[in-house]
Amino acid sequence: DAKTTQPPSMDCAEGRAANLPCNHSTISGNEYVYWYRQIHSQGPQYIIHGLKNNETNEMASLIITEDRKSSTLILPHATLRDTAVYYCIVSMGNNDMRFGAGTRLTVKP
Amino acid sequence: GAGVSQSPSNKVTEKGKDVELRCDPISGHTALYWYRQSLGQGLEFLIYFQGNSAPDKSGLPSDRFSAERTGGSVSTLTIQRTQQEDSAVYLCASSLLPAGGGDTQYFGPGTRLTVL
Repeated sequence: DAKTTQPPSMDCAEGRAANLPCNHSTISGNEYVYWYRQIHSQGPQYIIHGLKNNETNEMASLIITEDRKSSTLILPHATLRDTAVYYCIVSMGNNDMRFGAGTRLTVKP
Repeated sequence: GAGVSQSPSNKVTEKGKDVELRCDPISGHTALYWYRQSLGQGLEFLIYFQGNSAPDKSGLPSDRFSAERTGGSVSTLTIQRTQQEDSAVYLCASSLLPAGGGDTQYFGPGTRLTVL
C-alpha cells in the first residue's frame, strides 16, 4: 500500500510554477520523501528527495512541512516536456519503495 | 556515465513460451530491483538484490517468475510458461545504497512484454 495521497491530476500553464502536493501523515522518522516522474513510455526518472529540510536541485524544489506530514514539489517554470505522471513516495530508499497512482500533470501552452 | 540498460526493449511471445529479460545496472551500484507496470497502472515491486545477500523475492507473483544476478552485476528475469496476464512493461532499477538510508533508485527504459 502506498503511504501517500496525491491528487489524480493537475493542469499548469506553460512558464508558470507547478506545485504538486502530497500528503504522508503516517511518515516515520527515518523515512525520506522521494519524487519521481514518468513520461509516457519511459522508465521513472528521479527528481529529488529530502528528509526534513527543504531541498532544491536543477530540476525542482521540495518543500516539506515542519511536521513532515505533507510536502510540495515545485517545478518553477513548467514546460510542455514536464507533462508526466509525478509520484510522491515515502521510503527509507530500499526495497520498500512503493509507487502509487501519482499525479498526472498536464502542462498547457 | 551510462545509465541502467535493459534488453530487449520489446518482446512479443506466444502463450506458454519462456522469456528472459536482461538488466545491466549502473556500474558500482550494489542494489538492483525489478518492477513491472501493467498498462495504466502503477509500479509493482517484484524482486530486490543487494550485494551477496539472499534476494527479497516477496513481490514475485508466482513460481513461474525467477531472477538471477550474476557476479553482483547483470540480472536476468525469467518468466516460464508465459500467460497473457504477464503482458506489461518490466522495469529494472539500480542504486548505490549509501549508509544511513536516503538511497536513490535509477530506472532503465524497461522491456515491453506482450504475450499473445
